[in-house]
Amino acid sequence: GENVEQHPSTLSVQEGDSAVIKCTYSDSASNYFPWYKQELGKRPQLIIDIRSNVGEKKDQRIAVTLNKTAKHFSLHITETQPEDSAVYFCAASPIGNFNKFYFGSGTKLNVKP
Amino acid sequence: NAGVMQNPRHLVRRRGQEARLRCSPMKGHSHVYWYRQLPEEGLKFMVYLQKENIIDESGMPKERFSAEFPKEGPSILRIQQVVRGDSAAYFCASSPTVQNTEAFFGQGTRLTVV
Repeated sequence: GENVEQHPSTLSVQEGDSAVIKCTYSDSASNYFPWYKQELGKRPQLIIDIRSNVGEKKDQRIAVTLNKTAKHFSLHITETQPEDSAVYFCAASPIGNFNKFYFGSGTKLNVKP
Repeated sequence: NAGVMQNPRHLVRRRGQEARLRCSPMKGHSHVYWYRQLPEEGLKFMVYLQKENIIDESGMPKERFSAEFPKEGPSILRIQQVVRGDSAAYFCASSPTVQNTEAFFGQGTRLTVV
């Protein structure tokens, strides 16, 4: 089955700096890659996603890049703010079922004011 | 639309008891997914159900765990004879189709086995 690895496990940045989280996946058949933000004790919430026919997608301060050949994708957050502090999860899902996710282990992002 | 509703939010069970976790999908959603999140870890897929059918249970432990999604009522994740290792947050997500790329998660049920 699919195996998603995520790095780093923790990331501390100064407010205003950029943060980058990287994930790799093993199954070349995976074709949908969402990113979820989870605040302590709350539900995961989708913040951005990308399909395998797209190399990059941006939404305000958040961007995701995908390299299908290398089987890795990354989340980029610019101009970080304290409210960006949370755990971020990458995920991959296989062809035919966009909602069966294989999640990475998470990155705890701490944005220091 | 009230979103995906899970109850209870917190559940405490003694070892050997049964735990029943409920998930009501969003209105119009007929696909339900259950995930388990152990402390400090990511979410692990458990099972995917449509109304009255288990479609994919490849992530379910072979014993003590079962799931259903009846024609009427919520989806139920049932854990029999709970052990301490079952302590986790259990999330369900729903979507209208498998091709819809935004799955909506519920708030989760935090199960503590004492």
